[in-house]
Amino acid sequence: EVQLLESGGDLAQPGGSLRLSCTASEFTFSTYGMTWVRQAPGRGLEWVSAISGRGDSTYYTDSVKGRFTISRDNSKNTLYLQMNSLRAADTALYYCARVHLYYYAMDVWGQGTTVTVSS
Amino acid sequence: SYVLSQPPSVSVAPGQTARITCGGDNLGSEGVHWYQQKPGRAPLLVVYDNTDRPSGIPERFSGSNSGSTATLAISEVEPGDEADYYCQVWDSSSAHWVFGGGTRLTVL
Repeated sequence: EVQLLESGGDLAQPGGSLRLSCTASEFTFSTYGMTWVRQAPGRGLEWVSAISGRGDSTYYTDSVKGRFTISRDNSKNTLYLQMNSLRAADTALYYCARVHLYYYAMDVWGQGTTVTVSS
Repeated sequence: SYVLSQPPSVSVAPGQTARITCGGDNLGSEGVHWYQQKPGRAPLLVVYDNTDRPSGIPERFSGSNSGSTATLAISEVEPGDEADYYCQVWDSSSAHWVFGGGTRLTVL
């Protein structure tokens, strides 16, 4: 079964750092673009970042540009999100999702990992 | 940046057809994707590229897109269809994925 499993969510202090991971299984990971989407408590979905299959193109929403870095290790079937200079507004459930092979839709989602930024 | 507008809530009786709209500037020229999210669950893609359904999604779910409005229609609504529904597009001008604010579907 095609699956994504996130990890790394935790409680962090404002200004602190966290690294999220997303491990993929049962599909050719390097073929697909991947994204991170977050959902603050009681709020809607917000796209955060994306990366191409080979990792040579990256994209960020404006509010995280310069603070977050997306990367991938195709030999380990793993996607990462390095989160620096964390703010309270970054508190959310973070999902990784696979980008559809032919369209800009997200066709497989993980269950999410929770990031809480608080002193 | 590109903005997608959805009504906060839609209510429908069981067996009826629910229609959830998504508005955006010249949206009809874009590929719109729809997600269902039940409480405590990850989102699930139910319609992609305006009208296509992923494998396993019932035919009761259908999409359309014209002008400035895309619509997700759910026919023969069941209590299990209660969820939040989000539309999404790729904004090529900013290279951003964009979600609508979401619509909560209530089955009366």
